[in-house]
Amino acid sequence: DQQVKQNSPSLSVQEGRISILNCDYTNSMFDYFLWYKKYPAEGPTFLISISSIKDKNEDGRFTVFLNKSAKHLSLHIVPSQPGDSAVYFCAAKRSNAGGTSYGKLTFGQGTILTVHP
Amino acid sequence: NAGVTQTPKFRILKIGQSMTLQCAQDMNHNYMYWYRQDPGMGLKLIYYSVGAGITDKGEVPNGYNVSRSTTEDFPLRLELAAPSQTSVYFCASIDSTGGAGANVLTFGAGSRLTVL
Repeated sequence: DQQVKQNSPSLSVQEGRISILNCDYTNSMFDYFLWYKKYPAEGPTFLISISSIKDKNEDGRFTVFLNKSAKHLSLHIVPSQPGDSAVYFCAAKRSNAGGTSYGKLTFGQGTILTVHP
Repeated sequence: NAGVTQTPKFRILKIGQSMTLQCAQDMNHNYMYWYRQDPGMGLKLIYYSVGAGITDKGEVPNGYNVSRSTTEDFPLRLELAAPSQTSVYFCASIDSTGGAGANVLTFGAGSRLTVL
């Protein structure tokens, strides 16, 4: 039962254009969503996050949109740069009083983004 | 600060052998985690710890054991290795003191394990 899905295994984009990575989830108990970026032979690094009480969060070239009714979130990268080429993971956290859900994330399968010069 | 350090980076085991993956963090984080990532799949939580002496199972704990005797270290033990445990293992920690950092995992570089 995959509760977080990234249905596009890969995405190829030209430098300077917009990259849009998508993520769908099924569990309505998720209250916090994160995007991680992973380069080969390295661990995932945090990119941007959004709480379920918001519908948009922006950080420089990265914007995450959340559509709760559709259980869908997307990551927009504008403009895309060759250094953005990596695997992007969407992750979600369940709501839990007391903070015991911290760090217990459900991850999607990842999308390989390739940005061509 | 080194962050989260994992050793070894690579290891090949024979079926039935045992080994320990080491993880250490120098950020004074209370919460620590072990995830595994299989090819084409997302990361899955194996075990986690909310402080020294306290551990609990995640989504896929079978075949693994953990201990947490200090804040800094969180080793993962594989007993009787099986081919199904071939994976990349990531250790992570979190700043649980609150604020925006409370939900952000800091990962190590990973340990690639092959069981033949």
